[in-house]
Amino acid sequence: SQTIHQWPATLVQPVGSPLSLECTVEGTSNPNLYWYRQAAGRGLQLLFYSVGIGQISSEVPQNLSASRPQDRQFILSSKKLLLSDSGFYLCAWNLRTGVEKLFFGSGTQLSVL
Amino acid sequence: GQQVMQIPQYQHVQEGEDFTTYCNSSTTLSNIQWYKQRPGGHPVFLIQLVKSGEVKKQKRLTFQFGEAKKNSSLHITATQTTDVGTYFCAGDTGRRALTFGSGTRLQVQP
Repeated sequence: SQTIHQWPATLVQPVGSPLSLECTVEGTSNPNLYWYRQAAGRGLQLLFYSVGIGQISSEVPQNLSASRPQDRQFILSSKKLLLSDSGFYLCAWNLRTGVEKLFFGSGTQLSVL
Repeated sequence: GQQVMQIPQYQHVQEGEDFTTYCNSSTTLSNIQWYKQRPGGHPVFLIQLVKSGEVKKQKRLTFQFGEAKKNSSLHITATQTTDVGTYFCAGDTGRRALTFGSGTRLQVQP
């Protein structure tokens, strides 16, 4: 069966520090991969998605970046965090074709202080 | 840009009352999905609707997709405390990524 792992679960970082969040998927090949951000009590904002290794589409201009070094690995990064980067970050995947429902990781609660 | 609007933002009901959340898109959707997020958790897929006018039921939950494929609703009959959470619709507008609504947070008073 397929599983998605996302870590860390919580993170407290000072303003200006770097960020690296990692997500890996097991049990499937060639998934579409996504990073979403959820502000407290709000909806899901799509940040990045990827349809293959090295292929990244950015939805929102910001100081975050994403990379996909391997087929089932998706990384969200920042060189210098801002206060506004605080939020709940969710990684997700779905199949490239057929049913397109999303499977979400357990999320990372990021607090930038 | 393409938007998916969801109302209400928040609803507080007494246990046993019904609940409905509505989703409207500015563009025609090829399909719509519904997710539930429990407090502190991650969104979990509930259902997908594809056909115009489609109605699907899951126990006390009824999902509808509008004739024009621009709107959808989720109705819960006789809410229970286990229904607490935020319900999101997400539309497939033909792009590779789903567009999520802002969600409706449901609180159920026992």
